[in-house]
Amino acid sequence: QPQLQESGPGRVKPSETLSLTCTVSGGSLNRNNYFWGWIRQPPGKGLEWIGSISYSGSTFYSPSLESRVTISEDTSKNQFSLKVRSVTAADTAVYYCVRIRIIPIRGVGDHVDYWGQGTLVTVSS
Amino acid sequence: DIQMTQSPSSLSASVGDRVTITCRASQSISTYLNWYQQKPGKAPTLLIYAASTLQSGVPSRFSGSGSVTAFTLTISSVQPEDFATYYCQQSQSTPLYTFGQGTKLEIK
Repeated sequence: QPQLQESGPGRVKPSETLSLTCTVSGGSLNRNNYFWGWIRQPPGKGLEWIGSISYSGSTFYSPSLESRVTISEDTSKNQFSLKVRSVTAADTAVYYCVRIRIIPIRGVGDHVDYWGQGTLVTVSS
Repeated sequence: DIQMTQSPSSLSASVGDRVTITCRASQSISTYLNWYQQKPGKAPTLLIYAASTLQSGVPSRFSGSGSVTAFTLTISSVQPEDFATYYCQQSQSTPLYTFGQGTKLEIK
C-alpha cells in the first residue's frame, strides 16, 4: 500500500509561485492504471480538483486553473510536484496529493484510493 | 463542465437513524460516481465507487445507488464514527473530475 507525503513551504507571498512535492513510498509512479494528482481544500470549504499526471507522464488540468498550474514528475525519486503561479489569497488551502486508480471498465471509472495527509499553504505577505 | 450538486448541505441525525444523501449531476454520468468521507482535520477516504461498489474495509451499513444523473448514499444505521462530511465525485469526464460541495452529517 503506497504512502504519500506532501512537502513544501507553508506560506507563499501574493504573485509568487507555490511549489509542492509529493513523495511516494510503497508504489511506483510508472505503474500502469494509476495516475497521480493534486486536490485542494480552502479552509472550511469543499474539495477542488487541480490536475493529474499519468503513468506515462501526460498531464491533465482543471480548466479553471490550467493557465497557472504545472504538474511534473521525477521518477528517479518517485516524486511528483505541483506549481501554481501568480498566487492570490484565494489559493490558500490544504493541498492533498493523491493516487487515482484508473479502471477502464465500462460503468466503473476512476477513483482516488490513496491520499496524502495534506499540507496547508497560506498566501500572505 | 459537469456540475455536481449535493443535498442537503447539512443534516442532523441520531445514532441508529437511517440517513440518505443525494447527489445530482448536471448531465448524464452513467455510474461514474464515487463517494468519500472526510473527518475534521483528516484527508478524505473512499467509501463507494462506481455508484454502488463498496470499497474494501468499508462497513456494510454504507450503500450507494443511482445512475445517469441521480445518486444516493445511504447509511442504514448511523454510528458515532460516521459523523463527518461526505462528498460525491464524478469520473465521467476522466481524467478531469469534479466534486459535489459536500454534506455535513452532525449529531442531533
